[in-house]
Amino acid sequence: QKEVEQNSGPLSVPEGAIASLNCTYSDRGSQSFFWYRQYSGKSPELIMFIYSNGDKEDGRFTAQLNKASQYVSLLIRDSQPSDSATYLCAVNMRGSGGGADGLTFGKGTHLIIQP
Amino acid sequence: GAVVSQHPSWVICKSGTSVKIECRSLDFQATTMFWYRQFPKQSLMLMATSNEGSKATYEQGVEKDKFLINHASLTLSTLTVTSAHPEDSSFYICSADSGQGNSGYTFGSGTRLTVV
Repeated sequence: QKEVEQNSGPLSVPEGAIASLNCTYSDRGSQSFFWYRQYSGKSPELIMFIYSNGDKEDGRFTAQLNKASQYVSLLIRDSQPSDSATYLCAVNMRGSGGGADGLTFGKGTHLIIQP
Repeated sequence: GAVVSQHPSWVICKSGTSVKIECRSLDFQATTMFWYRQFPKQSLMLMATSNEGSKATYEQGVEKDKFLINHASLTLSTLTVTSAHPEDSSFYICSADSGQGNSGYTFGSGTRLTVV
């Protein structure tokens, strides 16, 4: 059974600081890793995806992947109050026939950026 | 690009009735669409995978006769909650594979279903 684990929080970070969000997954066959942001009552919106070991940067966001440790993280630099949301980690394993596979989500980490 | 429209955004229905939710890919063709359900303070749980022109694949524990999925075209998938009960009240979200590699999962805006 595929499992994705996240600390539910809340994680409180002062404005301007770095927020660090962590995620572990159980399925070694997982190939793609996603970070979504979800505001209350809204649908998730994609922040970043990563599928190679190492770091991937996009603006204030950096995703880090360590497949050996089955660990994914998201760093948010210069945190803003508007970054306050629930951050969902998701993984998938593409089907052997090349078809798409649904995502397995963690329960999310509630992030609060304190002004 | 890669926009997914979901309708309705919210619906209230009486217990025992059926509700249909539509998911449309507006600017791309989606051979595969996914349906998720999210209960309050829980994560998204994959319910089923919808493939154009074939039967949907349901996740373990999801009743296929209760949650009817139809993917009749490359741009439209529908989820019908039949004989709805209060415990079916949830946030239902669809997503579509736009085929853009691993970044290709686009989510609809979700449907808040309340069964009274």
